[in-house]
Amino acid sequence: DAGVTQSPTHLIKTRGQQVTLRCSPKSGHDTVSWYQQALGQGPQFIFQYYEEEERQRGNFPDRFSGHQYPNYSSELNVNALLLGDSALYLCASSLYFGQLAGELFFGEGSRLTVL
Amino acid sequence: GNSVTQMEGPVTLSEEAFLTINCTYTATGYPSLFWYVQYPGEGLQLLLKATKADDKGSNKGFEATYRKETTSFHLEKGSVQVSDSAVYFCALRGNNYGQNFVFGPGTRLSVLP
Repeated sequence: DAGVTQSPTHLIKTRGQQVTLRCSPKSGHDTVSWYQQALGQGPQFIFQYYEEEERQRGNFPDRFSGHQYPNYSSELNVNALLLGDSALYLCASSLYFGQLAGELFFGEGSRLTVL
Repeated sequence: GNSVTQMEGPVTLSEEAFLTINCTYTATGYPSLFWYVQYPGEGLQLLLKATKADDKGSNKGFEATYRKETTSFHLEKGSVQVSDSAVYFCALRGNNYGQNFVFGPGTRLSVLP
């Protein structure tokens, strides 16, 4: 049973560029959430996708956008990159309904460095 | 809004020592509480959880009890091992469908042989 997979694992961009990160959820899960984890800090919620719609959003600017596909996989896009966007981006999958709803399973993350 | 506060790290212990990592929360309603662990170079893994007051979550020798009166969810282990060295995150989730998680800042634990 494959867990949550993310790609790429590492990438380096320069200020002003755009980046796309990808995530495949754990088999059977229908909800994908994205988190930003700065060095030495806890994960901060970016947004959540269910049924191909953004359901919740944290305190992140519109430069951060996402998408969910019919197969439940998801993308996180960040435009006009800033140095402060350097972080580990974590994808987490879960079920939206049911007894185990909301229990997050995380991928290993995509480490973004902005120069 | 919801928030989680954890004890400052890093915490350094000798093998077989007793571990406590304090966690307190602020939330409306009746959140679910979680401890996640992050080993070096890896994503977060669920360690244990509790969904209502007085519930005790346990896994791999770790325990935490949901204390609504003190809004706390302290993590304990009676005898730590070197392999427990990691960063531990306390988190809460509201009980409405699709509620997102709020994580604490994490506490780094180093266990020395």
